[in-house]
Amino acid sequence: EAGVAQSPRYKIIEKRQSVAFWCNPISGHATLYWYQQILGQGPKLLIQFQNNGVVDDSQLPKDRFSAERLKGVDSTLKIQPAKLEDSAVYLCASSLFGGYNEQFFGPGTRLTVL
Amino acid sequence: AQSVTQLDSQVPVFEEAPVELRCNYSSSVSVYLFWYVQYPNQGLQLLLKYLSGSTLVESINGFEAEFNKSQTSFHLRKPSVHISDTAEYFCAVSEDSNYQLIWGAGTKLIIKP
Repeated sequence: EAGVAQSPRYKIIEKRQSVAFWCNPISGHATLYWYQQILGQGPKLLIQFQNNGVVDDSQLPKDRFSAERLKGVDSTLKIQPAKLEDSAVYLCASSLFGGYNEQFFGPGTRLTVL
Repeated sequence: AQSVTQLDSQVPVFEEAPVELRCNYSSSVSVYLFWYVQYPNQGLQLLLKYLSGSTLVESINGFEAEFNKSQTSFHLRKPSVHISDTAEYFCAVSEDSNYQLIWGAGTKLIIKP
């Protein structure tokens, strides 16, 4: 069974530039999560999708971050414009359903904003 | 859960020695508890979880954790560690009313030969 795929693995940009991350969840998983993990901290949920609908985006900085999950499969997370404090690892996870079902994580994208 | 605390950012232990990684949370409602592990250059993966029933839960590779409601803790233990246990361990909690996971900052387990 293929795991959660993410790309790119690394990205370096300058502040005020834009960047996009892509995630392909495990086939059949209805729930998809985007997390931000700053160095030395645990993951923080940015947004949760159930199929192609948003379940929770309360911690997504909507003035600069956006995410979509068209057709309920792949998802993209965009930052526009980036700030220095956006430097972090962006993790994508999926689960069969939400709730307390096990979440399966991708390898993450390490973003450095200069 | 309002917060999850992993007091130790790093825990160095000798190979074959016992280890305990501590996790405390703050919540006034029923919770579900998880330990995830991140091996070097790999993604996070579930190690074990407590949903209900027996307060002692075990993983397939010899780790165990005990849910202590009165102390609001979910410490992770292993009686004898191996070099392959080198990883970062994250404790996470979700409440019965809101399944969003709240994560601790992680503990790096460093195995000394």
